[in-house]
This record gives sequence, C-alpha cells and structure tokens, in this order.
Amino acid sequence: QVQLQQSGAELAKPGSSVKISCKASGYTFTSYYISWIKQTTGQGLEYIGYINTGSGGTNYNEKFKGKATLTVDKSSSTAFMQLSSLTPDDSAVYYCAVGTYSFAYWGQGTLVTVSS
Amino acid sequence: DIQMTQSPASLSASLGETVTIECRASEDIYNGLAWYQQKPGKSPQLLIYNANSLHTGVPSRFSGSGSGTQYSLKINSLQSEDVASYFCQQYYDYPWTFGGGTKLELK
Repeated sequence: QVQLQQSGAELAKPGSSVKISCKASGYTFTSYYISWIKQTTGQGLEYIGYINTGSGGTNYNEKFKGKATLTVDKSSSTAFMQLSSLTPDDSAVYYCAVGTYSFAYWGQGTLVTVSS
Repeated sequence: DIQMTQSPASLSASLGETVTIECRASEDIYNGLAWYQQKPGKSPQLLIYNANSLHTGVPSRFSGSGSGTQYSLKINSLQSEDVASYFCQQYYDYPWTFGGGTKLELK
C-alpha cells in the first residue's frame, strides 16, 4: 500500500533553515509527483508546490518562492523540502502528498516550530 | 489566486441527519474540486475529486455536486465517525487553493 513517511518534528531558531523528508513506499516513486502543503490554525491549508519525481522539475506557489526548495533522491524514493530564513510565520504542520491535482495519499505531517 | 469560501465554518448535527457543506469559488473552476475529511491529529483524507467522483473506499453516504463556482458536499445519515473537519480544494487554476474548513460536531 502507498505510504509516505515524514521526518520528525523540528524546533528551529528564527533565521535558520530546516529540511523535511518524505519517504515513499508501495508504488513506483517516479510515477507520481509529490506535492507539499502547509497547515496552520490561522491560515488553514496552503499549497506550496510540487516536484516531478522523475526529472526533479518543480512548480512553486509564488508565495513560497524563496522560502521552500523541493528536491528528490530517486535512489531512496525520498522527497525533501527545505525551508529557509525561518520566521515565526513558518511555524506549521507541513505535509507531503502524492499527486499534482487532488491528493489521495498524505504523509503524517511534520510539525515545524520556529522560536528563539 | 482563486479564493475558496466554505460555509458554514462550524456545524452541529444529530446522528442519522443529512448534512450539506458549501464551497464557493471566486471564479469558475470547471469541476476541478476535491473534498477532504480531516480528524484531529490526522492527515486529510480524500473523499471526492472532480467535484462528484467518490474516491475508492469512501462510504456512499458521501456525495459531491455542483458546477461553475458553487459546489457542495453532502453526508447522508450522519455517523459518529464523520465528526471531523472538511475542506474543499480547487485544482483548476494554479496555485491550488483550499477552503477555510468546516468543523462538524455531533449535536
């Protein structure tokens, strides 16, 4: 069965970076894009962007350009999202999900807390 | 970006009741709409895609309808396990955007 296993919670200081991983199993990794979604209590769900797991090509929501960087390691069927220049507004649960349009499979989420 | 306005923000209903949640897009999204259910501490789960197609394994008491800018999710014969938050998402125009969510509770 399709599974996405995300890395654990992160506590980061303002101005630093974090890199979240999303390891896929149960399907051919390069057959589907991986998307990333941010969830906060205040802003709800926000779409960050997607990565073509075969070519590494990316498409970002304009809002997250310069904030998020999406990469993949095909050898380990793992997608990554790096968040840079962190501020308290980046505190959220971040999800990876299989697909480009609607999302049938999601990771369990990674809580990122930005605090000094 | 397309704005998705969901209503109501919260809803209280009794077991066995029929519940309807609405989602309005700021422009025509040509049925490019999905509905998700999210329980506390869990990831969202896909219920409906393409506005009215039931995702595999989702109970038939869930249904989606609508067109243009107006869409709805209906839950027939509400069950206790349906207590959750529900979100709509448009994928007609990039970037994809989500509704603000509806929190469904039991009366």
